[in-house]
Amino acid sequence: NAGVMQNPRHLVRRRGQEARLRCSPMKGHSHVYWYRQLPEEGLKFMVYLQKENIIDESGMPKERFSAEFPKEGPSILRIQQVVRGDSAAYFCASSRRDGNEKLFFGSGTQLSVL
Amino acid sequence: KQEVTQIPAALSVPEGENLVLNCSFTDSAIYNLQWFRQDPGKGLTSLLLIQSSQREQTSGRLNASLDKSSGRSTLYIAASQPGDSATYLCAVGNNRLAFGKGNQVVVIP
Repeated sequence: NAGVMQNPRHLVRRRGQEARLRCSPMKGHSHVYWYRQLPEEGLKFMVYLQKENIIDESGMPKERFSAEFPKEGPSILRIQQVVRGDSAAYFCASSRRDGNEKLFFGSGTQLSVL
Repeated sequence: KQEVTQIPAALSVPEGENLVLNCSFTDSAIYNLQWFRQDPGKGLTSLLLIQSSQREQTSGRLNASLDKSSGRSTLYIAASQPGDSATYLCAVGNNRLAFGKGNQVVVIP
């Protein structure tokens, strides 16, 4: 029973390029969450998705960031025209249902913008 | 806006001592509180989940308490071991978790 899988583990992009981060939730989990951890800061909520639906994107920057969780395939966090300030660890978590359940986290994707 | 504070930010204890980690939050109308462990360069592992109607949870050497009225939770780790060295994160909320910055723990053999 594989855990939450994130890839790539490390991603290097130059300013202005696009970054695509993938997350496959645990088997049987239909709820996905993305968090960002900036250096010296705590994890910050970005977005909560269910299959084909964005439930809460209140933590997403208004521009350049988007997320999806299609009917088939992994959840994707997409960052367009990356800037140095986007350098961070991006974590994905999943749960079977919403609310009163433990979240299971992936190992994260470390994004470095040159 | 929910603010979560963890004190102390870092601590070192000799092996065998009990660990006490504190977490405070500003909005007592929380749903759940979770304690996580994070090892360097790795993801988070959920340790304990306390639902809003509960006052504590226990798992092995770990015990977490929740006092919503005072906005506090405490994680106790009994008889600490070097393998307990990690950063411990407190998070409150339902689907949208608010995290503290963590307690960085070193257990000295």
